[in-house]
Amino acid sequence: SSELTQDPAVSVALGQTVRITCQGDSLRSYYASWYQQKPGQAPVLVIYGKNNRPSGIPDRFSGSSSGNTASLTITGAQAEDEADYYCNSRDSSGNPHVVFGGGTKLTVL
Amino acid sequence: QVQLQESGPGLVKPSQTLSLTCTVSGGSISSGSYYWSWIRQPAGKGLEWIGRIYTSGSTNYNPSLKSRVTISVDTSKNQFSLKLSSVTAADTAVYYCARGGYSSGWTNFDYWGQGTLVTVSS
Repeated sequence: SSELTQDPAVSVALGQTVRITCQGDSLRSYYASWYQQKPGQAPVLVIYGKNNRPSGIPDRFSGSSSGNTASLTITGAQAEDEADYYCNSRDSSGNPHVVFGGGTKLTVL
Repeated sequence: QVQLQESGPGLVKPSQTLSLTCTVSGGSISSGSYYWSWIRQPAGKGLEWIGRIYTSGSTNYNPSLKSRVTISVDTSKNQFSLKLSSVTAADTAVYYCARGGYSSGWTNFDYWGQGTLVTVSS
């Protein structure tokens, strides 16, 4: 099955823009979905598909994709955005599995 | 508003079978184009997809766990269940149940249970 690779940690100054990336062969065929997880809580879906936000997710969260890389962008990061972020997608074309990235710890300075 | 709640023993002995149930409320488990998944997270580590079931009964499992995993669904009770056999300490994790949505180009998990910690220890 495919793997999705994320940087372990990223930091951003309060109010600035940060991009969190996810790389993998499956992303050439499928969009990534993105989840925010705060300590002791279940993950929350923040972006899915081409660039869709579930109800209640602030519009400072956006998604994009190019080649084998998907990106989650937070424009004007807030203190409450400090969390772990995970990407996931369908596995390689024809493979009926689901894969997660290893997660990125976002620190807001 | 769909809600999911995991239930089951928090402590399982090595070599035994871990059994968890997820109860879905706020909607029928059979309605809409969704599947139902189990996902786990060892302490301090990332998310690992265990497998999924459609209400038709069709299943897919993580290849790394396939030989030990069974996921089933009981639509009359609005529940789905996980069995993981021959557990070891490496199976200690928070186990989440989640609803999966999908289209031709993506899959996501839009509703999650709160998670339940299962410890494998004698």
